[in-house]
Amino acid sequence: DQQVKQNSPSLSVQEGRISILNCDYTNSMFDYFLWYKKYPAEGPTFLISISSIKDKNEDGRFTVFLNKSAKHLSLHIVPSQPGDSAVYFCAAAPPQGGSEKLVFGKGTKLTVNP
Amino acid sequence: KAGVTQTPRYLIKTRGQQVTLSCSPISGHRSVSWYQQTPGQGLQFLFEYFSETQRNKGNFPGRFSGRQFSNSRSEMNVSTLELGDSALYLCASADPGFAEAFFGQGTRLTVV
Repeated sequence: DQQVKQNSPSLSVQEGRISILNCDYTNSMFDYFLWYKKYPAEGPTFLISISSIKDKNEDGRFTVFLNKSAKHLSLHIVPSQPGDSAVYFCAAAPPQGGSEKLVFGKGTKLTVNP
Repeated sequence: KAGVTQTPRYLIKTRGQQVTLSCSPISGHRSVSWYQQTPGQGLQFLFEYFSETQRNKGNFPGRFSGRQFSNSRSEMNVSTLELGDSALYLCASADPGFAEAFFGQGTRLTVV
């Protein structure tokens, strides 16, 4: 049973527009959420995170929104750039969970067209 | 700080053989986790080591094993390779208790 779901395997966006990547989770015990970005033939790199005590966290062009009641989070990238083209993984961790407790979604491949 | 280093980057093995992959974590990180990535399956957790002890294990057969050394370096071994073991194997290190994991570039294993 998938506890973290990214229902869109792929997303295509025009350069300069907003990219919205979505993630749903089923385990209400998760209280910390992360997004990772992965280029082909490279390991994932940490992008941004959010704790369940917040509903929004911003870092430059990247903003993560958390809706605890809906068990849903989203990553907004504004404006999107061609270099943002990558696979984005959503991950969740339970309380006091270190990285060994991370549960990953299957990823969404974002393509930003020039 | 140097990042997580995995060796080798690429490997081609024959069915039935065994393989050992290596991971050097970020200096000071004592937790090392291993993941398998295959197309359409995302990142699947293999196991995690901390202070030379396996703390957590994913749902993989016993052919997959690992160990961690006193300097926190880790190795992963796969015995009796199958075609389905072809994947990108990723190692991640972290400070204990922190959810942010830092990944290496991975080892691309191809089983023929």
